[in-house]
Amino acid sequence: GENVEQHPSTLSVQEGDSAVIKCTYSDSASNYFPWYKQELGKRPQLIIDIRSNVGEKKDQRIAVTLNKTAKHFSLHITETQPEDSAVYFCAASKRSGYALNFGKGTSLLVTP
Amino acid sequence: SQTIHQWPATLVQPVGSPLSLECTVEGTSNPNLYWYRQAAGRGLQLLFYSVGIGQISSEVPQNLSASRPQDRQFILSSKKLLLSDSGFYLCAGLAGGPDEQFFGPGTRLTVL
Repeated sequence: GENVEQHPSTLSVQEGDSAVIKCTYSDSASNYFPWYKQELGKRPQLIIDIRSNVGEKKDQRIAVTLNKTAKHFSLHITETQPEDSAVYFCAASKRSGYALNFGKGTSLLVTP
Repeated sequence: SQTIHQWPATLVQPVGSPLSLECTVEGTSNPNLYWYRQAAGRGLQLLFYSVGIGQISSEVPQNLSASRPQDRQFILSSKKLLLSDSGFYLCAGLAGGPDEQFFGPGTRLTVL
């Protein structure tokens, strides 16, 4: 089955700096790659996603890049703010409506 | 838009007791539904998914079972809880696009 690896497990940056979280996947048939943000004690919330026919997608301060050849995708957060502090999860699935395989998460801390 | 309800929000149960967690969906019909478990400080593990009434797929062997008695109802059960069943249980369904999963508020289960 699909195996999603996520790095780093923890990340600390100063406010205003950029943060990058990287994920790799094993199944070349995977074609949907979402990123979720989870604040303490709350449900994961989808923040951005990308499909395999696109190499990059941006939404304000958040961007995701995908390299299908290398089977890795990354989340980029620019101009970080303290409210960006949370656990971020990457995931992959290989067909529409199929279950997601999640990475183990990255705990991001943005210090003022 | 879709809304996923879960109850109870928190639950404390003794080892060996039964379990029933309920998930219901509003705003859509024939949704794909998923049960995930998140252990403290860990990632999300897919437990079960369902593409329709009475159709359940299990991802990992475990002490739990799932049922889908109605289109918009997904139930997670156990006959005898183990300590290792403690965790944050999240129900998810597809929302909006063909791939986007939307999570319910979760049930925090503590087995003592």
